[in-house]
Amino acid sequence: NAGVTQTPKFQVLKTGQSMTLQCAQDMNHEYMSWYRQDPGMGLRLIHYSVGAGITDQGEVPNGYNVSRSTTEDFPLRLLSAAPSQTSVYFCASSYSTAGNTEAFFGQGTRLTVV
Amino acid sequence: AQSVAQPEDQVNVAEGNPLTVKCTYSVSGNPYLFWYVQYPNRGLQFLLKYITGDNLVKGSYGFEAEFNKSQTSFHLKKPSALVSDSALYFCAVRDNFNKFYFGSGTKLNVKP
Repeated sequence: NAGVTQTPKFQVLKTGQSMTLQCAQDMNHEYMSWYRQDPGMGLRLIHYSVGAGITDQGEVPNGYNVSRSTTEDFPLRLLSAAPSQTSVYFCASSYSTAGNTEAFFGQGTRLTVV
Repeated sequence: AQSVAQPEDQVNVAEGNPLTVKCTYSVSGNPYLFWYVQYPNRGLQFLLKYITGDNLVKGSYGFEAEFNKSQTSFHLKKPSALVSDSALYFCAVRDNFNKFYFGSGTKLNVKP
């Protein structure tokens, strides 16, 4: 199994450009989520989904959109990139929405907005 | 609201010595606590979790964690550190509304 796959691994955007970060999992997990990691701040939840067609906001959703049309895929869209969105982005999934289940993480996407 | 705190930005330990990485938590209801490790330029890897039951939880790579309800702590431990344990460690709590809350991370440096 590939687990959680994120593409691309690195990306440089100009301010105002749009792009989509891709996330796919092959474990048939119900729950998927996006985090951003910034130095000294741990990981902060951007958006999450508890199943196909269902999404909700996390701590820092502004500037990001998500959709979940299939169980496998959970893309994150930046509509108009800003320098404040320079970060490392992680996608994660878990097989259950129950609180006692761990998450599996992708390798990350390092995004720089200039 | 749920939260975790990792009071140390960095922990330095000599190879072969025991190590402890500290975590305290604040939750309402039952705590579901996790430890993850991140190696450079990699994603987070699951180490162990506390759900209920034994206060000493054993995980991957020889790590264990001690749950202490009275002190609201969930410290990560290993009896004998390896240089290869050097990495960034995150404590996390998950609520029943599908959200994980991560600490700010502790960088572990194990010196030969």
